[in-house]
Amino acid sequence: EVQLVQSGAEVKEPGESLKISCKGSGYSFTSYWIGWVRQMPGKGLEWMGIIYPHDSDTRYSPSFQGQVTISADKSIRTAYLQWSSLKASDTAMYYCVRQARRDFDFWGQGTLVIVSS
Amino acid sequence: EIVLTQSPGTLSLSPGERATLSCRASQSVSSSYLAWYQQKPGQAPRLLIYGASNRASGIPDRFSGSGSGTDFTLTISRLEPEDFAVYYCQQYGSSVTFGGGTKVEIK
Repeated sequence: EVQLVQSGAEVKEPGESLKISCKGSGYSFTSYWIGWVRQMPGKGLEWMGIIYPHDSDTRYSPSFQGQVTISADKSIRTAYLQWSSLKASDTAMYYCVRQARRDFDFWGQGTLVIVSS
Repeated sequence: EIVLTQSPGTLSLSPGERATLSCRASQSVSSSYLAWYQQKPGQAPRLLIYGASNRASGIPDRFSGSGSGTDFTLTISRLEPEDFAVYYCQQYGSSVTFGGGTKVEIK
């Protein structure tokens, strides 16, 4: 069974750093791109970027380029999304997704990030 | 960047009725690269349709997708109680964008 299991909710203050994770199981982790999708409170879905764990080839949405870093450790089947300095506007639910063809066939359960002073 | 516009914003229907959701792209999208998702409150989205008209694994056949170019449609032939949710279209050309969503609510 394909599963993407994300790390737990985080509450951080503005300016802090954060790295959240997404562990894949039940499939060949290095054969599929893994992406990240943001959903701000009460809003729609925004694609942030994607990584190919086999060689760490990474692509970013122009809206998120330079704002976050996507990485992966294939030895432990885990992808990451990190911020060096959080802002209140980073408060959102973040989903990791497995890219199938040109769509996302499996989604993690989501990681809620709250940034507040 | 391709902008996807979904309409209507909200669709108020009764169980058993037919739902027709529209997704219009600002420029032509390859049919292979158009997908639909369903999201229920408190849950992650779920893939319904890929390649504009192919049902994902486990998706009931009351869900169907159609369209090409800039106009795509998701149809739910007869609404079941569990179908009341928000639906998003998504395209994957040179980048990925999602539509703003259509909420299907109980009338």
